[in-house]
Amino acid sequence: AQSVTQLGSHVSVSEGALVLLRCNYSSSVPPYLFWYVQYPNQGLQLLLKYTTGATLVKGINGFEAEFKKSETSFHLTKPSAHMSDAAEYFCAVTSNTGNQFYFGTGTSLTVIP
Amino acid sequence: EAQVTQNPRYLITVTGKKLTVTCSQNMNHEYMSWYRQDPGLGLRQIYYSMNVEVTDKGDVPEGYKVSRKEKRNFPLILESPSPNQTSLYFCASSATPGQRYNEQFFGPGTRLTVL
Repeated sequence: AQSVTQLGSHVSVSEGALVLLRCNYSSSVPPYLFWYVQYPNQGLQLLLKYTTGATLVKGINGFEAEFKKSETSFHLTKPSAHMSDAAEYFCAVTSNTGNQFYFGTGTSLTVIP
Repeated sequence: EAQVTQNPRYLITVTGKKLTVTCSQNMNHEYMSWYRQDPGLGLRQIYYSMNVEVTDKGDVPEGYKVSRKEKRNFPLILESPSPNQTSLYFCASSATPGQRYNEQFFGPGTRLTVL
C-alpha cells in the first residue's frame, strides 16, 4: 500500500529564507509523487510531480523537490520565501493502479515579514 | 477556461435532510473523484469514478452516494447527513484513469456544516 507522511504540520519562515517542507513516502511499487498547494478558500493546485527520470523536479513559483529513493523522501524546497507562499501544502502519492491518491496531512506554511 | 466547478460553495443543513453537492468538469476527463478535508487528517477519498456508470469506493465512503450518468458530472449525495459529515469537500478530475502520472484538477471546495 502507498502512503505519505508530512513531518511538521506548521512551518514558519522569514521572508527571503529557505523553505523546506518534508514528505516521506511508503510504496510497494515505484512511486509517483505530487506536491499540491492550497491557498486560503481555494482548491488544490499542482506545484510539481515526480514520475520517472530526473530526480530533481522543478515546479511553479520557484519550488522544486528532489526524489531520494534511498531516503524514501520527496521534500519540497524554495530558496527564498515570499509572502505569497503562505498556504497549505500537501504531498501525495498515487496507488499502484493509479485510481487513488493518498494525501499527507498537510503542512501550513507561514511567512513572517 | 478549463475548470472543475462545485455547487454550492457553502451549505448549512440539519441532521437527516438529504442533500446533493454537484460537481462538473469541462475538460472531457474520464476520471472524477470526491474527497473530504478535515483538520489534521488531510484529504481522504470518498468515491471515485473511472467513467460513465463506473464508480468505486474510496477510503471513507460510509454515508455517501455518488452517480455518474454523464461524463462531465459527478454529484455527491448525502441521504441522511450527520454532524460527523461536517467537512470541506473537494471534487477532482483527471484525464485517464489508471495512469499513475496523471495529476488531478480540483474544484474550489464546498464547506458543509451539519447541525
